[in-house]
Amino acid sequence: QSVLTQPPSLSAAPGQKVTISCSGSSSNIEKNSVSWYQQFPGTAPKLLIYDNHRRPSGIPDRFSGSKSGTSATLGITGLQTEDEASYFCGTWDSGLSGGVFGGGTKLTVL
Amino acid sequence: QMQLVQSGAEVKKTGSSVKVSCRASRYTFTQRHLHWVRQAPGQALEWMGWITTFTGDTNYAQKFQDRVTITRDRSMSTAFLELSSLRSEDTALYFCTRSGSYGDFAFDDWGQGTPVTVSS
Repeated sequence: QSVLTQPPSLSAAPGQKVTISCSGSSSNIEKNSVSWYQQFPGTAPKLLIYDNHRRPSGIPDRFSGSKSGTSATLGITGLQTEDEASYFCGTWDSGLSGGVFGGGTKLTVL
Repeated sequence: QMQLVQSGAEVKKTGSSVKVSCRASRYTFTQRHLHWVRQAPGQALEWMGWITTFTGDTNYAQKFQDRVTITRDRSMSTAFLELSSLRSEDTALYFCTRSGSYGDFAFDDWGQGTPVTVSS
């Protein structure tokens, strides 16, 4: 059972917008910055969002992040078939003094 | 482009230990923290711990506190993860990853992963 809660799966059509939620608590999301990762099967994750809403260079602005209280959200607009992947949120947990991740959301673009 | 290259796949017996390496190149090794994250088949990412590469200070997840050791060799620009008392639940893909460019817990570069299989 992951400390951060994400929906296990979502699906949407190409061109649409999707939001992926990440729910935590006062000791993790509320206190610390959230990052988001995209992962294809059998490969390493890729950083999409850091510091709740910032994008590393090279990440298209179709990807956005936000945070409010104990929850964070990843948004993807203009869905493309190549966005079909798993997405994970992560942050530091001050109570555990350790890093925590969400359970991951498998996004299907159909 | 920064690069983290990990050692190859391991097959271990229950109760034994495994040591995985992660060699960094194309950046100054001591300027970034290195973390270890694992992923069991079809499961979520799981943070195991980190090492401050400059000082060698470590911080481990509570779950692994008594079984994990993370070290580094500055001369080789390499970090190591050692996990002892292996059980079948430790079968996973083990990643090293780097933080510091975008915050202490934002991982901007990853190794390719080292599969570890534990069986009796």
